[in-house]
Amino acid sequence: DVKVTQSSRYLVKRTGEKVFLECVQDMDHENMFWYRQDPGLGLRLIYFSYDVKMKEKGDIPEGYSVSREKKERFSLILESASTNQTSMYLCASSVGVSYGYTFGSGTRLTVV
Amino acid sequence: EDQVTQSPEALRLQEGESSSLNCSYTVSGLRGLFWYRQDPGKGPEFLFTLYSAGEEKEKERLKATLTKKESFLHITAPKPEDSATYLCMDSNYQLIWGAGTKLIIKP
Repeated sequence: DVKVTQSSRYLVKRTGEKVFLECVQDMDHENMFWYRQDPGLGLRLIYFSYDVKMKEKGDIPEGYSVSREKKERFSLILESASTNQTSMYLCASSVGVSYGYTFGSGTRLTVV
Repeated sequence: EDQVTQSPEALRLQEGESSSLNCSYTVSGLRGLFWYRQDPGKGPEFLFTLYSAGEEKEKERLKATLTKKESFLHITAPKPEDSATYLCMDSNYQLIWGAGTKLIIKP
């Protein structure tokens, strides 16, 4: 069964910490995405990548960066965590947007 | 501004009571309208893609339809296991998501 695996289901970090969220897919997909999901706001795209070492900003990239050194791995980095980054973070991959996404189970991050 | 709007925000039904969820979009040049199901604490799961007005797709008790301005997700004789949040998304260049409809089916 194809999978997108996110390294942590729950994470609690302190304000100002550097936070790494890891995502690995085993489907050989070129496209990978990071979203955050907040009640009433839906899914908002943070960053996406169409190829190794390539990244594009989404709708809300401020305070985040990403790394894609290998095709199967896409990392989201919170440079200096803040309380307004408390959210559910979802990673997804796709062979092409028109074919839909496969999502991971999400990481619920709490910044205190 | 391109938008995808879902209604209602929440819907409570009795088991077996059929209904429809709505997804309206103002996006020009729609490339594809996607429906996903999301269970609590999990990532969304792909259900359907619709590309052109008049298109319909079915899966078990769910049927998705598309017009030029909106899509409907019809649920026929739902069961409690159909309870979830249903999300729609437009795959135009902006990848715009609706906020979702929370569906609760009571036994």
